[in-house]
Amino acid sequence: DQQVKQNSPSLSVQEGRISILNCDYTNSMFDYFLWYKKYPAEGPTFLISISSIKDKNEDGRFTVFLNKSAKHLSLHIVPSQPGDSAVYFCAASLTTAGNKLTFGGGTRVLVKP
Amino acid sequence: NAGVTQTPKFRVLKTGQSMTLLCAQDMNHEYMYWYRQDPGMGLRLIHYSVGEGTTAKGEVPDGYNVSRLKKQNFLLGLESAAPSQTSVYFCASTDHSFYGYTFGSGTRLTVV
Repeated sequence: DQQVKQNSPSLSVQEGRISILNCDYTNSMFDYFLWYKKYPAEGPTFLISISSIKDKNEDGRFTVFLNKSAKHLSLHIVPSQPGDSAVYFCAASLTTAGNKLTFGGGTRVLVKP
Repeated sequence: NAGVTQTPKFRVLKTGQSMTLLCAQDMNHEYMYWYRQDPGMGLRLIHYSVGEGTTAKGEVPDGYNVSRLKKQNFLLGLESAAPSQTSVYFCASTDHSFYGYTFGSGTRLTVV
């Protein structure tokens, strides 16, 4: 069973609008969550993270929200830009266990000009 | 440029052949990881290392072996390749911080 799930495999959004990506997890012991962005033929790159002691973290156009009771996190991108077109992975970590990351299946975002 | 370098970038193997994927990092990171990416399944952890001379199994270790003889290198071996090992393999490293991994650009492996 996948411990981290991204139920939307793809998302299409108009340039300038908000992109909302969702992620659900099942292991309540996860204490750190991250989002990665991946372009074709490249490795994933770190985007933004949040500790389980917080419910929101912001970095420029990117905001991650964490709802621990619902075991749900989301990534908001505002405003969306064509360069944001990529695959986004959410990941969860047990920081006491070798910093291993458990990844979701990814959401492909297409930002239309 | 500092980062994680994976070699080779592409490889085609016949079933039963063996090969080694090399991962090298120049950031003096303690932790190194091997993941495989398959469509719809995200990245799944194969093996990882928390320091020179150490290795541990991840989520999908069967059919793979690893070695970390030097801190900067993490090798992934396939002793007898199978078509189910057709995938894109990513190596990653991190220090003790929680700000995410640095990934290599991947190795696309096809087993025919």
